[in-house]
Amino acid sequence: TQLLEQSPQFLSIQEGENLTVYCNSSSVFSSLQWYRQEPGEGPVLLVTVVTGGEVKKLKRLTFQFGDARKDSSLHITAAQTGDTGLYLCAGEGGSNYKLTFGKGTLLTVNP
Amino acid sequence: EAEVAQSPRYKITEKSQAVAFWCDPISGHATLYWYRQILGQGPELLVQFQDESVVDDSQLPKDRFSAERLKGVDSTLKIQPAELGDSAMYLCASSREGMVWGDNTEAFFGQGTRLTVV
Repeated sequence: TQLLEQSPQFLSIQEGENLTVYCNSSSVFSSLQWYRQEPGEGPVLLVTVVTGGEVKKLKRLTFQFGDARKDSSLHITAAQTGDTGLYLCAGEGGSNYKLTFGKGTLLTVNP
Repeated sequence: EAEVAQSPRYKITEKSQAVAFWCDPISGHATLYWYRQILGQGPELLVQFQDESVVDDSQLPKDRFSAERLKGVDSTLKIQPAELGDSAMYLCASSREGMVWGDNTEAFFGQGTRLTVV
């Protein structure tokens, strides 16, 4: 079983601050996805990273895939209250396109 | 914009009763997933279909849970009998067939069914 550990589990910051959340595993993944989920809704895909060492930027969000494809990080610059939500990483491995999710980081950005 | 439809949105049932959830994936998506998400945790895969065939149900409690996708389109997840510990959000997702997870591939999630067993 491929496990993904996310840290921190909870994060509460003030608007305008920067933050980084992490997703780590002992397993190698073919690709890794980051999702954001708001209360009562399903997760929504933010980005997919495929290549080891890859860095992708989505406005104020920067995603990095580790060289060994076992870990990833999400950095948010100048956080806004609208960034509040549960950030989930999900790794894909094997022949069945199975996605394994981490437990998530619950981010609260206070005004 | 195409989306994954799930119903009902909310369900309250008494323990030992039967309950069923329905999912209609995005048209043309061959892969369908049912996930269970306990409050504050990440989604846990229950069952994965490729067309009408089950490709992974290793985490499905088969003594009380069943899932089907008879025509390879919409799907039903059933729990009988429901237990208090089944209270959770049940999410359905779909994705295109035959693609490795790349820049243009994603799993689209429905809004989920929030189940409360009392």
